Amino acid sequence: DTGVSQDPRHKITKRGQNVTFRCDPISEHNRLYWYRQTLGQGPEFLTYFQNEAQLEKSRLLSDRFSAERPKGSFSTLEIQRTEQGDSAMYLCASSLAVGLTDTQYFGPGTRLTVL
Amino acid sequence: AQKVTQAQTEISVVEKEDVTLDCVYETRDTTYYLFWYKQPPSGELVFLIRRNSFDEQNEISGRYSWNFQKSTSSFNFTITASQVVDSAVYFCALSVIPQGGSEKLVFGKGTKLTVNP
Repeated sequence: DTGVSQDPRHKITKRGQNVTFRCDPISEHNRLYWYRQTLGQGPEFLTYFQNEAQLEKSRLLSDRFSAERPKGSFSTLEIQRTEQGDSAMYLCASSLAVGLTDTQYFGPGTRLTVL
Repeated sequence: AQKVTQAQTEISVVEKEDVTLDCVYETRDTTYYLFWYKQPPSGELVFLIRRNSFDEQNEISGRYSWNFQKSTSSFNFTITASQVVDSAVYFCALSVIPQGGSEKLVFGKGTKLTVNP
């Protein structure tokens, strides 16, 4: 299996611009998660998809953030009107739900810098 | 609410030393899962282990071992005979069986391990 891939790996943008990140999960994984990690901190949960359905969103996910997983495969995370506080590493993880729980496998992340 | 505490921010050891990374968790759920991930300088989180709350047996995998103690809510990770390649940030994480929600991971702040030659 190829692992989780994310594109782009790095993104530098100016405040106020919109950005979109893509995540391709491990093939046949039905669950997909987005996390955000700031410097010196552990990843924080943003949102979760089971197949194409977005089932949970964190309070961290303001109205400027939107995520989709249109066909239950790849996912996109869009940030509108970026702010300097959005600068972080955005991590995607996927898992295959078997029984009661899953193990999440992470991609390399997209590092966003907002100037 | 769930919480994970990794009190050690940074640890520095010399190669071949043993090192233990501490993890203390909080949850009111009786069924939960604990994880360790490794984040090398490249940035990608690498899965190391998953344990469920009903299995307190210690586990050993090569130079890695894990000690799970429900009585102290701890899930510590020991690297025996450390190597330079073990240098990374290590995260402990917790998830609970959801009631309609996701099995999102709650991470600690991580422990940065530096192994010097």
